[in-house]
Amino acid sequence: KNEVEQSPQNLTAQEGEFITINCSYSVGISALHWLQQHPGGGIVSLFMLSSGKKKHGRLIATINIQEKHSSLHITASHPRDSAVYICAVTTRGISSGSARQLTFGSGTQLTVLP
Amino acid sequence: GAGVSQSPSNKVTEKGKDVELRCDPISGHTALYWYRQRLGQGLEFLIYFQGNSAPDKSGLPSDRFSAERTGESVSTLTIQRTQQEDSAVYLCASAHYTSYPNTGELFFGEGSRLTVL
Repeated sequence: KNEVEQSPQNLTAQEGEFITINCSYSVGISALHWLQQHPGGGIVSLFMLSSGKKKHGRLIATINIQEKHSSLHITASHPRDSAVYICAVTTRGISSGSARQLTFGSGTQLTVLP
Repeated sequence: GAGVSQSPSNKVTEKGKDVELRCDPISGHTALYWYRQRLGQGLEFLIYFQGNSAPDKSGLPSDRFSAERTGESVSTLTIQRTQQEDSAVYLCASAHYTSYPNTGELFFGEGSRLTVL
């Protein structure tokens, strides 16, 4: 079982729809990141969460530490939101108590149709 | 610089040769990660540096891979005796971590695309 699991793997939506991408993790974390990767490979950090909820424009990210679960929501989706969305967690590393490994989910390919 | 800078952006090499990839993190960022992405696959953690602490090398796939970083400056990832399966985009990210558990936002470079023929 992967330490970070995302669902769905692929998501196609019509412009304007409300979108939810889920991320579950099985390890202790210090933070959870939502990343966006566009075709061509560039990666942008959308959110970093350690508790609660954050909002940037049409994007909302929530995390439930007790349930080890996070969601990324996109309101009023637009074709330019089409990208791969990746959940990543920073965890305690093996070699040092203060080191932080970065573990990625497999990503969710979102396609928003006009 | 304004962001995380990686070089070269593209590298084509022959099987068996050594390659060196460079990452310039954002000035002042204490943490630096290397990871890679093979074609059509997800991101794979390689190594993590945090200030002067011992690096977390648990993601390095073999002893042909090594990385160095002096203090909070440039890092180099070296792949010796490259194999075709090493072909991937090698990405670097940096962050400013103050003290655990306060973690900083990650900033990513554009990556170095390595092709081993």
